[in-house]
Amino acid sequence: DIQMTQSPSSLSASVGDRVTITCRASQSIPSYLNWYQQKPGKAPKLLISAASNLQSGVPSRFSGSGSGTDFTLTISSLQPEDFATYYCQQSYSTPWTFGQGTKVEIK
Amino acid sequence: QVQLQESGPGLVKPSETLSLTCTVSGDSISSFYWSWIRQPPGKGLEWIGYIYYSGNTNYNPSLKSRVTMSVDTSKNQFSLKLTSVTAADTAVYYCARDPLARDGYTRNAFDIWGQGTMVTVSS
Repeated sequence: DIQMTQSPSSLSASVGDRVTITCRASQSIPSYLNWYQQKPGKAPKLLISAASNLQSGVPSRFSGSGSGTDFTLTISSLQPEDFATYYCQQSYSTPWTFGQGTKVEIK
Repeated sequence: QVQLQESGPGLVKPSETLSLTCTVSGDSISSFYWSWIRQPPGKGLEWIGYIYYSGNTNYNPSLKSRVTMSVDTSKNQFSLKLTSVTAADTAVYYCARDPLARDGYTRNAFDIWGQGTMVTVSS
């Protein structure tokens, strides 16, 4: 199985801050990396697919980059509605696997 | 617009079988691969497996011995059975459109999810 490791596991930030979350795969997964946002009591929502493809309707303050084993999700200016847990997920090979999540909290 | 809805018992006794169904609306179930994913309370996401309308399945090795998925194209539904459940199987269970495309090679993401259903294993 491909292990996905996110860092940090949690962070505290203020509205307007630039936030970066890192995801590392245990082996190369080219660009088969997706990012999800999950709010309490809700299903995950796809933000970015194929490492950098922003989904329709997702604000442009979200961006993704990386390839191979190292990937980054950046929120350029954190907004109140962005406080949530973020997960990366690889779709290179089954079993599909997720990172452990990064909880973004209000400072 | 494709929508997914999970249904099934919210409480299952230890050692019994968990059974859930996902109803697909807005598109034919034959167009895509479909997955089950679960999330224990306060924890992360675990992929359980996928199924295609033809009956082709792929299960997570960690659960393979206890999982069976099936599809009913006449009802546009697919189902999950998990046998010999324990408290460790307590989780929110989601159905979702699988990353694997109809060509069996192109891989995308879990782009559509059901709202999830909480299943508690307890006597």
